[in-house]
Amino acid sequence: AQKITQTQPGMFVQEKEAVTLDCTYDTSDQSYGLFWYKQPSSGEMIFLIYQGSYDEQNATEGRYSLNFQKARKSANLVISASQLGDSAMYFCAMREADPGAGSYQLTFGKGTKLSVIP
Amino acid sequence: KAGVTQTPRYLIKTRGQQVTLSCSPISGHRSVSWYQQTPGQGLQFLFEYFSETQRNKGNFPGRFSGRQFSNSRSEMNVSTLELGDSALYLCASSLEAASEQYFGPGTRLTVT
Repeated sequence: AQKITQTQPGMFVQEKEAVTLDCTYDTSDQSYGLFWYKQPSSGEMIFLIYQGSYDEQNATEGRYSLNFQKARKSANLVISASQLGDSAMYFCAMREADPGAGSYQLTFGKGTKLSVIP
Repeated sequence: KAGVTQTPRYLIKTRGQQVTLSCSPISGHRSVSWYQQTPGQGLQFLFEYFSETQRNKGNFPGRFSGRQFSNSRSEMNVSTLELGDSALYLCASSLEAASEQYFGPGTRLTVT
């Protein structure tokens, strides 16, 4: 089973409107982290926002907010007041610990391509 | 502070050759992770290094290897290249293993 599921391959949003990108995850760990990254056509992955599994409040970073619903295992990204520069691929990722290795790794979803329309 | 840098940015190799990619993390970051991104498989974890030790490895064949130097710079090597190794290889660094990972611009490898 996929650990991170992003069900929207592509999304369109009008400039200045808000948009929600969906992400559901699957883990049996109690401690984990959820991330959203933006990948423009240039290829670089840009860190947007982070939510820890024990954080009680939803994370916010400027125009980005993360709608974290732990019981439903969802971590949706909300972008307010969309801008043309927001057009990119967006990836949801989960960090799980590997206690034996003392290490962590990120597992990524397949991504959502967001297109902002003028 | 300078970001994560990766060299080269683009590379074209022939099947059967080997290749070495380089990654310089953000100053002070000790953890470096490598990922492979392809249209079919998406982003997949290759390995993670911390203080010159490989602590975690993804599900890739032994042709994929890496190392980390004392200054935290890391290299990954792919031997006996196959067409399916064509991908964007991303390096990410973090202060500690559990911190946010910051990615470099990637190396786009094409195997012909």
